[in-house]
Amino acid sequence: ILNVEQSPQSLHVQEGDSTNFTCSFPSSNFYALHWYRWETAKSPEALFVMTLNGDEKKKGRISATLNTKEGYSYLYIKGSQPEDSATYLCAFRGRTGGFKTIFGAGTRLFVKA
Amino acid sequence: GAGVSQSPRYKVAKRGQDVALRCDPISGHVSLFWYQQALGQGPEFLTYFQNEAQLDKSGLPSDRFFAERPEGSVSTLKIQRTQQEDSAVYLCASSSYSELINTEAFFGQGTRLTVV
Repeated sequence: ILNVEQSPQSLHVQEGDSTNFTCSFPSSNFYALHWYRWETAKSPEALFVMTLNGDEKKKGRISATLNTKEGYSYLYIKGSQPEDSATYLCAFRGRTGGFKTIFGAGTRLFVKA
Repeated sequence: GAGVSQSPRYKVAKRGQDVALRCDPISGHVSLFWYQQALGQGPEFLTYFQNEAQLDKSGLPSDRFFAERPEGSVSTLKIQRTQQEDSAVYLCASSSYSELINTEAFFGQGTRLTVV
């Protein structure tokens, strides 16, 4: 059974704080890792697709790193804003397992003004 | 349309009732996924279509669940004889490529199904 774990489950920060959270996935059989941001009452929105060990991706104040050998990815938010409040999901796809993408349970971020 | 559209947004079904959930993907998108998200958990894969072909249905939890995409565009997820454990948000996602490797998927807002 493939397990994708995200931590922490939830996070409360003040506006302006920088924060990061973790996605752990099986280190063998890696194919791709996706990060999504999901605001309440909206659709999940793709942030990054990461495929290579050592990948670093950046989108504005949000960045992500990938370590496929040890099976983790970090998502960083610099200078959090209230509009960053959302659930951040990672999703793992292995080389085997067909087209199945396995999601973590998400990290719920609350940014207080 | 501009994005992935799902209908209805909310559905309340009595236990034992059949339901049909619709997904309108972005026009021209080859790949279509269905996911089930129970409260407090991440989305769980149900099934995958490439055009009209259902290439992976390994995530469908029972034979009460059936999905189709007959013309390679709109998809319907049908649940027969609904049970309380079917209560969840059902998400649909589409992608323009046949392999979801380096490409992002676009999600609908989901259908929240409550079985009473």
